[in-house]
Amino acid sequence: KAGVTQTPRYLIKTRGQQVTLSCSPISGHRSVSWYQQTPGQGLQFLFEYFSETQRNKGNFPGRFSGRQFSNSRSEMNVSTLELGDSALYLCASSPKGLDGDTQYFGPGTRLTVL
Amino acid sequence: GDSVTQMEGPVTLSEEAFLTINCTYTATGYPSLFWYVQYPGEGLQLLLKATKADDKGSNKGFEATYRKETTSFHLEKGSVQVSDSAVYFCALYYGGSQGNLIFGKGTKLSVKP
Repeated sequence: KAGVTQTPRYLIKTRGQQVTLSCSPISGHRSVSWYQQTPGQGLQFLFEYFSETQRNKGNFPGRFSGRQFSNSRSEMNVSTLELGDSALYLCASSPKGLDGDTQYFGPGTRLTVL
Repeated sequence: GDSVTQMEGPVTLSEEAFLTINCTYTATGYPSLFWYVQYPGEGLQLLLKATKADDKGSNKGFEATYRKETTSFHLEKGSVQVSDSAVYFCALYYGGSQGNLIFGKGTKLSVKP
């Protein structure tokens, strides 16, 4: 099976812009979760989608949002970008979700905000 | 709230040395515990997991035992190799209606030949 894919792999944006990242899960996986990875804060959970519904949400402002399509592909949107949003954004998929399932991670999208 | 604390890095070892990376957690109830590894230039991948107290997860020579009494899940390997150089993350999942996967800050391991 193909692994989790994320596009684009690299992005450069300026403050105030918005950005959309895409994640295609492993075929058959219905759960997609998103994470932000920074040197200072480490890995932090953003949210999880399961069958097109947001099921869990971490402690991030409303500028961070997401959605999931009927084919389980997911997008994450960040509006009004800030310098502190520069990070590696990872998505992960699993068959059933965070309830003990192994999460399969994608390679990430490196976002730089100037 | 739930949290994971792992030892500060970086950790530098010589090949064939014994490795321990400490991980302790705070959670109500009985979370599932994981070790993930991120090799240079690669994505995060699951190394091992344990879902209940006294379970031992193992993979690629690495082991970790779920210790409820000490709320710990320390990662060990008897003889490290240069190829083990990576960043290691301890994580917990505590389920329920608002589940979350919580990671430690990560420990960078460098193994010298």
